[in-house]
Amino acid sequence: EAGVTQSPRYAVLQEGQAVSFWCDPISGHDTLYWYQQPRDQGPQLLVYFRDEAVIDNSQLPSDRFSAVRPKGTNSTLKIQSAKQGDTATYLCASSPSSERLFFGHGTKLSVL
Amino acid sequence: GEQVEQRPPHLSVREGDSAIIICTYTDSATAYFSWYKQEAGAGLQLLMSVLSNVDRKEEQGLTVLLNKKDKRLSLNLTAAHPGDSAVYFCAVSVSNTNKVVFGTGTRLQVLP
Repeated sequence: EAGVTQSPRYAVLQEGQAVSFWCDPISGHDTLYWYQQPRDQGPQLLVYFRDEAVIDNSQLPSDRFSAVRPKGTNSTLKIQSAKQGDTATYLCASSPSSERLFFGHGTKLSVL
Repeated sequence: GEQVEQRPPHLSVREGDSAIIICTYTDSATAYFSWYKQEAGAGLQLLMSVLSNVDRKEEQGLTVLLNKKDKRLSLNLTAAHPGDSAVYFCAVSVSNTNKVVFGTGTRLQVLP
């Protein structure tokens, strides 16, 4: 069974640039999560979907971050006008239930 | 919302010793409790999860204890070995949702 795939693995930006992260979840998993993990900290939930619907995006900085999952499969997380404080690893996870999340390797973002 | 605290942030033990990590949470209606392991450069992997009606679960050298009265979850690695060196996270699933909140992490080093 293929795992959760994320791309790119690394991104380096100047402040003010935009970037998109892509996630391909495990087939059949209806729930998809995006987490932000700053260095030496725990994952912090940004947004999660059930199928194509956003269930909770209360922690997503809506002025610069957006996330979509248009067909209930792949998902894209986008940062407009990145800031140095966005430097972190962005983790995607999928799940058939909240009992177990399957994580991708993450995208490590550095904003200079 | 649910708050999860984890301690210690760093833990160093000798090979063969036990390592204990503790999390406390705030929502008494939490449904699932999980422990994840994150090795360098990799995503999180589930070690073990327990339902809220389970007080103790043992599996392959790991023991998870749940004290609902004190809202405390612990992970005990018995007879740790160098391959256990990693960052460990607890996670709690908010009741009646698929929202999963993670602790702040414990960096475990097992010395030979």
